[in-house]
Amino acid sequence: SQTIHQWPATLVQPVGSPLSLECTVEGTSNPNLYWYRQAAGRGLQLLFYSVGIGQISSEVPQNLSASRPQDRQFILSSKKLLLSDSGFYLCARSGGGSPYEQYFGPGTRLTVT
Amino acid sequence: AQKVTQAQTEISVVEKEDVTLDCVYETRDTTYYLFWYKQPPSGELVFLIRRNSFDEQNEISGRYSWNFQKSTSSFNFTITASQVVDSAVYFCALSEKNYGGSQGNLIFGKGTKLSVKP
Repeated sequence: SQTIHQWPATLVQPVGSPLSLECTVEGTSNPNLYWYRQAAGRGLQLLFYSVGIGQISSEVPQNLSASRPQDRQFILSSKKLLLSDSGFYLCARSGGGSPYEQYFGPGTRLTVT
Repeated sequence: AQKVTQAQTEISVVEKEDVTLDCVYETRDTTYYLFWYKQPPSGELVFLIRRNSFDEQNEISGRYSWNFQKSTSSFNFTITASQVVDSAVYFCALSEKNYGGSQGNLIFGKGTKLSVKP
């Protein structure tokens, strides 16, 4: 089966601290990978996507960055968190037969204090 | 421009009632894909269905059914005999074949929060 892991599940960080969220995918090769953020208003905002190792596209300019060091690993980072970075971060993958269906991980709930 | 509108922000029903969640979309593409996702309180988005723009056949899966009408650019979702476990936020989404990139970017609506009371 194809599974998406995200950790940590929850995180509380002070303003100005660094951030590293990890997403790993099992059961599929060369997936497209995505990072979304869902703020309190419930809308889903695409932050980054990657079609391969080292290939990152940013959808929204901000103080976040993403990296894909391995085929099935996608990392979201920040050097200095802002209060506005609080939210629910979801990793997703597509591929494996259909590039159009995206499957989501369990998410990381980030609170910046 | 491409856009997905879910006009119903919140809906509350009593168990066993039928409920329809509306979704209207705008697209510049001739080939596109429509989706519904469910987000229960746990937070994970669960894929429910994909519909291709060239297939207007409606679909039924158990208590769920989907009505796709290109003439009105709508892709509505009906839950028959709702249950408490159906309580969640439901998202409609659009992906355009020629404009969404090879990675198939999804455009989400803002979601409809469904509360089913016992």
